[in-house]
Amino acid sequence: DVKVTQSSRYLVKRTGEKVFLECVQDMDHENMFWYRQDPGLGLRLIYFSYDVKMKEKGDIPEGYSVSREKKERFSLILESASTNQTSMYLCASSYRDRGPGANVLTFGAGSRLTVL
Amino acid sequence: AQSVAQPEDQVNVAEGNPLTVKCTYSVSGNPYLFWYVQYPNRGLQFLLKYITGDNLVKGSYGFEAEFNKSQTSFHLKKPSALVSDSALYFCAVREAGTALIFGKGTTLSVSS
Repeated sequence: DVKVTQSSRYLVKRTGEKVFLECVQDMDHENMFWYRQDPGLGLRLIYFSYDVKMKEKGDIPEGYSVSREKKERFSLILESASTNQTSMYLCASSYRDRGPGANVLTFGAGSRLTVL
Repeated sequence: AQSVAQPEDQVNVAEGNPLTVKCTYSVSGNPYLFWYVQYPNRGLQFLLKYITGDNLVKGSYGFEAEFNKSQTSFHLKKPSALVSDSALYFCAVREAGTALIFGKGTTLSVSS
């Protein structure tokens, strides 16, 4: 089974702290994504990456940055955490457009971040 | 720009009855359409997808969805609901070369 592992299940940080959320996948997927999930708002795309060292902004990139130095790892960085970034963060990965598994996202369990 | 709408925040059905969870979309080209499910305290799981071909798509756990191009809809259906189907359901859409965009989700509650 494909596994997408998010390093922290729960985090509590203070306003202004720098926060790193790590995500690792073990199926050689080209594509990786970061979403945040908030009640009533569904999933909103923050950033995604189609290849190593590549990144694309999603719908809500403000206040976030990402890093993809290795194919299997995609990190989400909050440079200066704010209370409105309290949320559930979901990492996902997928193959590029090929084969029956193409386009199907496999999600991690999520990282619930609370910013005080 | 692509978008997806789930018009119902919650759908309530009795066990054994058919269920429908609605989804409409807007894209400029051919859509890639998906349904995902999130059970309580668990991650999102893929249910089914439509890329091309038959308009009726069958997926996991007895779910199916019908692609209707003229109505730009992709409703999720199941002939006979189970209590264990109670969960949060997300419709998602993408165009070629873009990332997946999700709806706001619909909570399905199946009563015994």
